[in-house]
Amino acid sequence: DGGITQSPKYLFRKEGQNVTLSCEQNLNHDAMYWYRQDPGQGLRLIYYSQIVNDFQKGDIAEGYSVSREKKESFPLTVTSAQKNPTAFYLCASSIPGSWETQYFGPGTRLLVL
Amino acid sequence: RKEVEQDPGPFNVPEGATVAFNCTYSNSASQSFFWYRQDCRKEPKLLMSVYSSGNEDGRFTAQLNRASQYISLLIRDSKLSDSATYLCVVNRTPNYGGSQGNLIFGKGTKLSVKP
Repeated sequence: DGGITQSPKYLFRKEGQNVTLSCEQNLNHDAMYWYRQDPGQGLRLIYYSQIVNDFQKGDIAEGYSVSREKKESFPLTVTSAQKNPTAFYLCASSIPGSWETQYFGPGTRLLVL
Repeated sequence: RKEVEQDPGPFNVPEGATVAFNCTYSNSASQSFFWYRQDCRKEPKLLMSVYSSGNEDGRFTAQLNRASQYISLLIRDSKLSDSATYLCVVNRTPNYGGSQGNLIFGKGTKLSVKP
């Protein structure tokens, strides 16, 4: 089955720790996105990538980093510089010509210990 | 005005009711409009795109008024399974960072359909 997978489903971070959230897709989509959702809030764009080896900052990139070495993979690292990382993180992908039709993964819930 | 603003909700309606959600957006240059559905603690899923001429998909009807920068979603004959949060989504203007596909999500309106 084609789709987007995110792992882990739940992730716990200790103070000062960097953690990496995985996002993999087998839809052959060029573009991939990372969003953050806080309770009662809309999704906010962290980073996006339209092609391998290229990515751009979104609205709230501070404290996060990404890489796009393979078309299928777009991991997000939440660094210790992100002071309020507790949120629901969603990865999405889309195809050229239909950029705004985005398919989402099931998400990762990050909690700070 | 916020970039995308939705009715605060929650909407609590009986089965079979007709319910309407409204959304306004601030950037008159926005060109693409969508409704996404998000179930509790799940990912958003595209419900339907919104076209200037209005469009219908079964019990769901979406309307766009560019002059008023207003989008609506009408659900007829509500089902228990319609209970979810409905997100109004608008694309960013094409010149934002030279990007495409960047979406602005509203906070969502929660719908609860009761037996």
